[in-house]
Amino acid sequence: QVQLQESGPGLVKPSQTLSLTCTVSGGSISSATQYWSWIRQPAGKGPEWIGRLFTTGTIDYNPSLKSRVTISVDMPKNQLSLNLTSVTAADTAVYYCARGSGDRYFDIWGQGTLVTVSS
Amino acid sequence: QSVLTQPPSASGTPGQRVTISCSGSSSNIGSNSVNWYQQLPGTAPKLLIHRNNQRPSGVPDRFSGSKSGTSASLAISGLQSADEADYYCAAWDDNLNGPGFGGGTKLTVL
Repeated sequence: QVQLQESGPGLVKPSQTLSLTCTVSGGSISSATQYWSWIRQPAGKGPEWIGRLFTTGTIDYNPSLKSRVTISVDMPKNQLSLNLTSVTAADTAVYYCARGSGDRYFDIWGQGTLVTVSS
Repeated sequence: QSVLTQPPSASGTPGQRVTISCSGSSSNIGSNSVNWYQQLPGTAPKLLIHRNNQRPSGVPDRFSGSKSGTSASLAISGLQSADEADYYCAAWDDNLNGPGFGGGTKLTVL
C-alpha cells in the first residue's frame, strides 16, 4: 500500500530556510483526484495545514504562511517538497506529509519529522 | 488558535461510552463535512471518521460520528485502554480554502 516518508534536517537556524522532502512509495504520486499536503503540529497543539498540491498543477497555501511557503513535486522521483523561508522558533513542529482525497480528508500520513528552529 | 474548538480532555472507565464535541462556524462545519483523527502517543494522526459518520475499513464500529449545524461529536462506546489517545476534529474551511483542525481532546481511560 502507499506509504509516505518525510526527510530533512532536524535543526534549522532562525532566519534560514526549512526544506523537507516526502517520498511516496507503493504507488504513484501522480493522480487526477488525490492531492498531497504538508501539515505541521507544534508540541502539545493541534495540527496546522500548510498547503496542498495537485499533480495536475493546482497549489494552495494557508494564507497565514503563503508569503514564506513553496510546495513542489518531482514526479519522476515520486517526491513532494516543502520550503519554508525566514523561519523562527514558532516554526518548530513535527512536519507531516499526507495524502488528501477528493472529499477533503487525509487518509494516509507519513510518520512525521521533528524540525527545531534554534541557533 | 485552532480553527475548531474541542474540550482539552475527556475520560471514562472501561466499557463506558464517551463523547467528544467539536464546535465550528458556518464557514467550516456549517457547510462542510467533519473528519476525525486519532493520534496515539508518538505516532501520526490516523483517519478515524470521514464525511461526518463514515468509518474507513478497519475502524471498529465502536467509533461513530455525528454532525448538527456548526457542531459535531465523536462517540466511543465500549471504551478500551487502547483508546487512550488524542482525538482531533477537522473540517474544510471556506475562508481558509483548506482544512481547519481542532486543538485536540486527550482521552484518558481510568
